[in-house]
Amino acid sequence: QKEVEQNSGPLSVPEGAIASLNCTYSDRVSQSFFWYRQYSGKSPELIMSIYSNGDKEDGRFTAQLNKASQYVSLLIRDSQPSDSATYLCAVNFGNEKLTFGTGTRLTIIP
Amino acid sequence: GAVVSQHPSWVICKSGTSVKIECRSLDFQATTMFWYRQFPKQSLMLMATSNEGSKATYEQGVEKDKFLINHASLTLSTLTVTSAHPEDSSFYICSARDRNWGYTFGSGTRLTIV
Repeated sequence: QKEVEQNSGPLSVPEGAIASLNCTYSDRVSQSFFWYRQYSGKSPELIMSIYSNGDKEDGRFTAQLNKASQYVSLLIRDSQPSDSATYLCAVNFGNEKLTFGTGTRLTIIP
Repeated sequence: GAVVSQHPSWVICKSGTSVKIECRSLDFQATTMFWYRQFPKQSLMLMATSNEGSKATYEQGVEKDKFLINHASLTLSTLTVTSAHPEDSSFYICSARDRNWGYTFGSGTRLTIV
């Protein structure tokens, strides 16, 4: 069974620091990877997508993918209280469906 | 960017009734839409894949006769929860693949069965 694993947290980070979120997945042939942010009671919103090995940067966010290690991470620089949310890692295992991790709850401490 | 509209945003129904949730892609055509359910403090669980013009594909353990999915056009998919019971209370979210092959989510429907 194809799986996506995340540390559920909670992860507490001081305001202005770097938040590091990690995700591992079970299938080497996975094609695309996504990070979503979900506020309580709301639906997920896309933060980043990444398809090839290496880093991808968008503003304060950087996604890192290592297919050999089956590992994808999200770094949030200059963390703000508004970044406090649950971050969901999702993987497309090549069948058009997204499989989600359980999410990591992030709290930014002012 | 791609927009997916979902209605209603919340609904309260009596046990035994049926409720329909609509999911529309507003600025793109979606041949495939996805329906998820999310219980409190849990992740999204895929219920079914909705395919335009054909039957939906349900995930293992999801009752197809209870959760009816219709994808009659390239911009509209509906989920009907039939004979709903309190254990069906959950947050239901639809998603569609947009033209850039990303996944856009609707705003979700909070369903409460009393």
